Amino acid sequence: QVQLQESGPGLVKPSESLSLTCTVSGGSVSSGRYFWSWIRQPPGKRLEWIGCIFYSGSTHYNPSLQSRVTMSVDTSKNQFSLKLTSVTAADTAVYYCAREPEYWGQGKLVTVSS
Amino acid sequence: DIQMTQSPSSLSASVGDRVTITCQATQDINNYLNWYQHKPGKAPKLLIHDASDLETGVPSRFSGSGSGTDFTFTISSLQPEDFATYFCQQYDSLPYTFGQGTKLEI
Repeated sequence: QVQLQESGPGLVKPSESLSLTCTVSGGSVSSGRYFWSWIRQPPGKRLEWIGCIFYSGSTHYNPSLQSRVTMSVDTSKNQFSLKLTSVTAADTAVYYCAREPEYWGQGKLVTVSS
Repeated sequence: DIQMTQSPSSLSASVGDRVTITCQATQDINNYLNWYQHKPGKAPKLLIHDASDLETGVPSRFSGSGSGTDFTFTISSLQPEDFATYFCQQYDSLPYTFGQGTKLEI
């Protein structure tokens, strides 16, 4: 059974960068069969797909966030990561990592506030 | 981006009821549609993929149908553990997009 767990700061100041890591167990990020995604849900709003990364490092980002998003994968630690720069209050959300569509993490609330 | 309109946004029902949720896409998504169940603090659970294929281990009271732009999700007889939020997701075109969710309440 594949399990994913998000980790990182729960509070980020405006204009700074948000960084989250997803640790994968029960499966390998090096598997060429899958891609690894980040998805978020702001309070009271629908889910928003942020983007995905393949083990090779190839990425697809949501155009609405593309200028601020970077994803990376660390095969030695079986992790993948998200960095979102220049955050504002609008980036406050529960952030999920996933191996779509079957496996998702439980989510990490990140609040952007001074 | 493909927009997904899901309705209703909330639904009150009782154990044993039949409930239906709809999702409409702004363009043909070739049946590339998932339905999920989400409970607070838990990881979303995939119930149906490809619009109508039940995920392994998911009870048969859950079903999905539709094609093109219009899709339906049905629970044939509500059980106490089914009270949750349900949402659809299209994966025909990037960026993948979601419906706004349906909160199913007692």
